[in-house]
Amino acid sequence: DAGVTQSPTHLIKTRGQQVTLRCSPKSGHDTVSWYQQALGQGPQFIFQYYEEEERQRGNFPDRFSGHQFPNYSSELNVNALLLGDSALYLCASSLLPGELFFGEGSRLTVL
Amino acid sequence: GQQVMQIPQYQHVQEGEDFTTYCNSSTTLSNIQWYKQRPGGHPVFLIQLVKSGEVKKQKRLTFQFGEAKKNSSLHITATQTTDVGTYFCGTGKQNFVFGPGTRLSVLP
Repeated sequence: DAGVTQSPTHLIKTRGQQVTLRCSPKSGHDTVSWYQQALGQGPQFIFQYYEEEERQRGNFPDRFSGHQFPNYSSELNVNALLLGDSALYLCASSLLPGELFFGEGSRLTVL
Repeated sequence: GQQVMQIPQYQHVQEGEDFTTYCNSSTTLSNIQWYKQRPGGHPVFLIQLVKSGEVKKQKRLTFQFGEAKKNSSLHITATQTTDVGTYFCGTGKQNFVFGPGTRLSVLP
């Protein structure tokens, strides 16, 4: 039983570019949440997707957008990258309410 | 939205000593979850508490939820080097919020 998988694991972008991160949830899970974790800090909630709709959103600008597909996989898109967007981006799947299963994350560096 | 704070931010202990981290909120919480993140890793679920005054144990780990459901604690008895990592508390359902974490280092 595969857990949560994320791709890519590492990537480097320059300011102003756009990035797409991908997540496949744990088998049987229909809810996907995205988090941004800066170095030395706790994960910050970006948004959550359920039934292909954004159900909740944290305090992130519109540059951060997402999508959930019929197979429950999800993408996180970030436009107009800033240096401050450098972080570990974590995807978590769940069957609400319940524990969050995290992927290994995608480490984004913006130069 | 709900926020949770954690203390201490860092804790250095000698192997075999006990460790406790505290999670506090100004509002009543519906639930508390605890996660552990090893250095370079991702958060891993430890436990969920939902009832007032609830106490749960997992081997050397003891988790408590306060009577007023505004605070929680994680206590590790006789720490081991494998306990190294950052311990996060969090709360919520659709918008799950994490605390800033307590980073534990264990000196052998």
